[in-house]
Amino acid sequence: DQQVKQNSPSLSVQEGRISILNCDYTNSMFDYFLWYKKYPAEGPTFLISISSIKDKNEDGRFTVFLNKSAKHLSLHIVPSQPGDSAVYFCAATLNNAGNMLTFGGGTRLMVKP
Amino acid sequence: EPEVTQTPSHQVTQMGQEVILRCVPISNHLYFYWYRQILGQKVEFLVSFYNNEISEKSEIFDDQFSVERPDGSNFTLKIRSTKLEDSAMYFCASSETTGRFGYTFGSGTRLTVV
Repeated sequence: DQQVKQNSPSLSVQEGRISILNCDYTNSMFDYFLWYKKYPAEGPTFLISISSIKDKNEDGRFTVFLNKSAKHLSLHIVPSQPGDSAVYFCAATLNNAGNMLTFGGGTRLMVKP
Repeated sequence: EPEVTQTPSHQVTQMGQEVILRCVPISNHLYFYWYRQILGQKVEFLVSFYNNEISEKSEIFDDQFSVERPDGSNFTLKIRSTKLEDSAMYFCASSETTGRFGYTFGSGTRLTVV
């Protein structure tokens, strides 16, 4: 069951440039999407979320874009910093299951100084 | 900043033994969760708990698993008879409202079944 997919297992970006992390989903009933960041030996940390009624949400260096027709969302980090190096997970939730998150497989971001 | 605390950080157990993983959620949070991540795989939902009862559970959360909030602060996951395939990182999480606004996860307990 691959309802949420992150097709790129890893991404390498130069410090100061933009990082774009992608996520696709198959269940059109998902109505809320979230991004989490995870460092080794730590739990996932919530970054940013977006409701399905919006197409963009911005918080500082982080912006999430949602394309419902394509069932695609992306996380943009501008400018990227070495401290952003981590595994990034996208997750989705259903309106009638507001507490359960379905996670993608994660993308490892490496920001080179 | 408030944290979700999990103990132990690493647990090794013999196959067939019972294990209890412990979590202290953030004190004013009302929703509690367990997730797990088998090495190299996705983070998977196990169970959510609200108002002293299970509100949702996944297919993974079979009769071998149980959760409890024995007092006002702890939230535990019990695996009655561990199997090799239960080896994973187990994450506890809590949220003030529903999970769509983001949980706070603990650092996890690495369970190794031998």
